[in-house]
Amino acid sequence: QKEVEQNSGPLSVPEGAIASLNCTYSDRGSQSFFWYRQYSGKSPELIMSIYSNGDKEDGRFTAQLNKASQYVSLLIRDSQPSDSATYLCAVSLTGRRALTFGSGTRLQVQP
Amino acid sequence: KAGVTQTPRYLIKTRGQQVTLSCSPISGHRSVSWYQQTPGQGLQFLFEYFSETQRNKGNFPGRFSGRQFSNSRSEMNVSTLELGDSALYLCASSSDSESGNTIYFGEGSWLTVV
Repeated sequence: QKEVEQNSGPLSVPEGAIASLNCTYSDRGSQSFFWYRQYSGKSPELIMSIYSNGDKEDGRFTAQLNKASQYVSLLIRDSQPSDSATYLCAVSLTGRRALTFGSGTRLQVQP
Repeated sequence: KAGVTQTPRYLIKTRGQQVTLSCSPISGHRSVSWYQQTPGQGLQFLFEYFSETQRNKGNFPGRFSGRQFSNSRSEMNVSTLELGDSALYLCASSSDSESGNTIYFGEGSWLTVV
């Protein structure tokens, strides 16, 4: 079992729709959770970080964390073609600056 | 403020050679970590340095090494290059003063081994 699992996609949504990206992790000691966006040929760009159960909103992005279910998700509202990218879920243990990444979900937003 | 800076951005090496990659973290950040990204294995953690000391290490062979200088700048070295070492090498920095441990990536160094 992979430590961090994501559906590789592609996830295709029409422009203006809500895109829902999901991630599960296996280590119950994981305390910090991140979503990165990576365009083809570019480095990962941090979108959201979340540390506590519940929702965290930042503009069109909402991260949701459920530690009991070992599940973290990212919602993108009003999806735009410019959101088309690979979204990487990453987790780390408390105090460790070593991220374990999922394989990423490719999102395609259709104009 | 300036982001994480990596040099060189692109390089081509021959099997058996060695390579050194350089990274300057975000000003004020004392933690520097390195990652390897390949199509087959995805993004994998190599090692992390803080105050010139290696704090964490991933599951890579000893051919991969790194160091950090007193100004927080870091280098990583790969010796006896293999074709499978062709990858995007990413440096990331983090500040201990931030809540949590948010990590910011540089643009990466693209290494091709031929």
